[in-house]
Amino acid sequence: GQQVMQIPQYQHVQEGEDFTTYCNSSTTLSNIQWYKQRPGGHPVFLIQLVKSGEVKKQKRLTFQFGEAKKNSSLHITATQTTDVGTYFCAGGVPGAGSYQLTFGKGTKLSVIP
Amino acid sequence: NAGVTQTPKFQVLKTGQSMTLQCAQDMNHEYMSWYRQDPGMGLRLIHYSVGAGITDQGEVPNGYNVSRSTTEDFPLRLLSAAPSQTSVYFCASSYSRDLTEAFFGQGTRLTVV
Repeated sequence: GQQVMQIPQYQHVQEGEDFTTYCNSSTTLSNIQWYKQRPGGHPVFLIQLVKSGEVKKQKRLTFQFGEAKKNSSLHITATQTTDVGTYFCAGGVPGAGSYQLTFGKGTKLSVIP
Repeated sequence: NAGVTQTPKFQVLKTGQSMTLQCAQDMNHEYMSWYRQDPGMGLRLIHYSVGAGITDQGEVPNGYNVSRSTTEDFPLRLLSAAPSQTSVYFCASSYSRDLTEAFFGQGTRLTVV
């Protein structure tokens, strides 16, 4: 079953508004990765977080990894039309002898100009 | 660098037909995987391989076969296509099973009628 939950499924924002998507797991993750998929495109890696409580920034994007390594968030400040797409988190979920990267269902972001 | 190359980009099959989706990577990555993407379901893992000669099942393996005779290639076979296999298929590769970014191919949009 789905071990990495992501909310919301959809988000519509006015250009210039902020946007946040959340990722939660019932188990401790080894790491969390974030990907962006533009409409009609393929997922593209954005960033990886490994340490408990880690925070990383990429221009207007801020990524956080929870202290318990069970949740993560992606926050976009002042959205632009170029931010349109689906954002996926992917967590390293413990499995047989290793960790398996498990994707959330994604948050589809629409930006109204 | 070509990265991850998938062929074909589009395919229409009749129920019961068989076909092979090709995936090749030129990054010398050990780990390769196949996902299917359906609306509202995110990316679901079909099969994966941790190296040449080694494959294993993911979350939704039924109806699909894989093999990994070389590091570069990881084809996905549909033995008897069913309408439920209509989906977008992505192949991905990474240096290792976890803690490294996944590179995705452009995807194959498959319709089974």
